[in-house]
Amino acid sequence: AQSVTQPDIHITVSEGASLELRCNYSYGATPYLFWYVQSPGQGLQLLLKYFSGDTLVQGIKGFEAEFKRSQSSFNLRKPSVHWSDAAEYFCAVSSTSYDKVIFGPGTSLSVIP
Amino acid sequence: EAGVAQSPRYKIIEKRQSVAFWCNPISGHATLYWYQQILGQGPKLLIQFQNNGVVDDSQLPKDRFSAERLKGVDSTLKIQPAKLEDSAVYLCASSSPGQVITEAFFGQGTRLTVV
Repeated sequence: AQSVTQPDIHITVSEGASLELRCNYSYGATPYLFWYVQSPGQGLQLLLKYFSGDTLVQGIKGFEAEFKRSQSSFNLRKPSVHWSDAAEYFCAVSSTSYDKVIFGPGTSLSVIP
Repeated sequence: EAGVAQSPRYKIIEKRQSVAFWCNPISGHATLYWYQQILGQGPKLLIQFQNNGVVDDSQLPKDRFSAERLKGVDSTLKIQPAKLEDSAVYLCASSSPGQVITEAFFGQGTRLTVV
């Protein structure tokens, strides 16, 4: 069965510092991978997605993620965090465009001025 | 392009009462999902529709939850009777599977509080 783990429940970084949020998945075939962000009281917004091709994908708001098949990982990175990046981040996986999207438990990001 | 619309945004009910949520997906999106997000957790899929047919409802508590998408467009999710543990945000999402792969687009959700 598909599953997603996000080892860090909560992360605190200083504004301007770099960020890496970890995501590991369990799935037999090549998965479709997503990162979503959820700000307080808001719906989920897609940051980026990986379906195939280049394993380093660029997203909105300066985020990027790298798919590493050998490690079953899809970590999210940002070189310089802004205070507005404080939010909940969810990694998600799907098997095909017809299949359900399975979400990880989320990582809460706090940004210190 | 209009997004996924959900109503109401907030609902407070007493346990054992019934409640219904409505979702209107993005125009043309054949797939519709209902997720339950309990505070501090990731969204959990309750049910997935492809047009007006159910693709996956394996995690839907069928003794109290029901959902329908009669005309393959908008959808309603009902809880009857509600329990305290049903307090959560109910998210609707839609996607357009096919030759062009897309991600799921989410509505803002309905926050349900059961007291």
